Amino acid sequence: ETGVTQTPRHLVMGMTNKKSLKCEQHLGHNAMYWYKQSAKKPLELMFVYNFKEQTENNSVPSRFSPECPNSSHLFLHLHTLQPEDSALYLCASSQVGGKRGNEQFFGPGTRLTVL
Amino acid sequence: AQTVTQSQPEMSVQEAETVTLSCTYDTSESDYYLFWYKQPPSRQMILVIRQEAYKQQNATENRFSVNFQKAAKSFSLKISDSQLGDAAMYFCAYRSSYSGAGSYQLTFGKGTKLSVIP
Repeated sequence: ETGVTQTPRHLVMGMTNKKSLKCEQHLGHNAMYWYKQSAKKPLELMFVYNFKEQTENNSVPSRFSPECPNSSHLFLHLHTLQPEDSALYLCASSQVGGKRGNEQFFGPGTRLTVL
Repeated sequence: AQTVTQSQPEMSVQEAETVTLSCTYDTSESDYYLFWYKQPPSRQMILVIRQEAYKQQNATENRFSVNFQKAAKSFSLKISDSQLGDAAMYFCAYRSSYSGAGSYQLTFGKGTKLSVIP
C-alpha cells in the first residue's frame, strides 16, 4: 500500500449506530487530518493531529471523536449521527516542518450516508 | 480569517485547448502558500501545483501553470493542451506559512468543475 488509504470506502449507518472510519498513511508523515466534504460547500477541516497530539478541533460536534494511536493511523469514531452528517470524509497527511509548504496528501475518502 | 473564492462553479474546455480557472483569496499575511488540487470523479484529491508567496516567479508543472498576482490576491490556474483526463473538480487552497498553532490548516475554495469536451 502506498500513500494514504481509508476504509471503508462507503458506509451507511442509522442514527443510533456506532461506527469508525480508519485512515492509514504510508508516507512517513507526522501530521494527519480529517476533513468533511459536503456538496456545494468548501472542504471543512475537522481535526488535526501533529505527532499524535490533537492540535486543532474546529468546533466539531462531540458525536465525532478522533483517535490517533500513532503517527501512521487515524480514526474517526462516529455515534448518534444526524442525516446532515452525510458527506465524504477525507483523511490527509503531511510532513510538518518540511520545506515543501507542508503539502497535504489525501486519501480516497469514505462516503458516509446517515439514514 | 483567510477566505478563498472560486467564482466559477463550472467550466468547460475543448480537448487540446487552453482553459483558465480563477481563484482569489483574502489575507492580511505577507507570507503564505497557495495550492491547486484536482479531484477526479470518485478518485483521490491530488496536488496539481503550489506557489510560495515570496516567490515572484509563477509556478509551472508541465501543462499546468499559475498566474500569481500578489497585490491583487489572485491565483489562477491555466491548463494548456487540455486532455480528457483533466476533467475533475479543481480546488484552490491557502495555507499560512506561520509556524504556530493553526498553521497546518488549508483553507479551500468551493471548487470549479471542469469538463473536457472531446
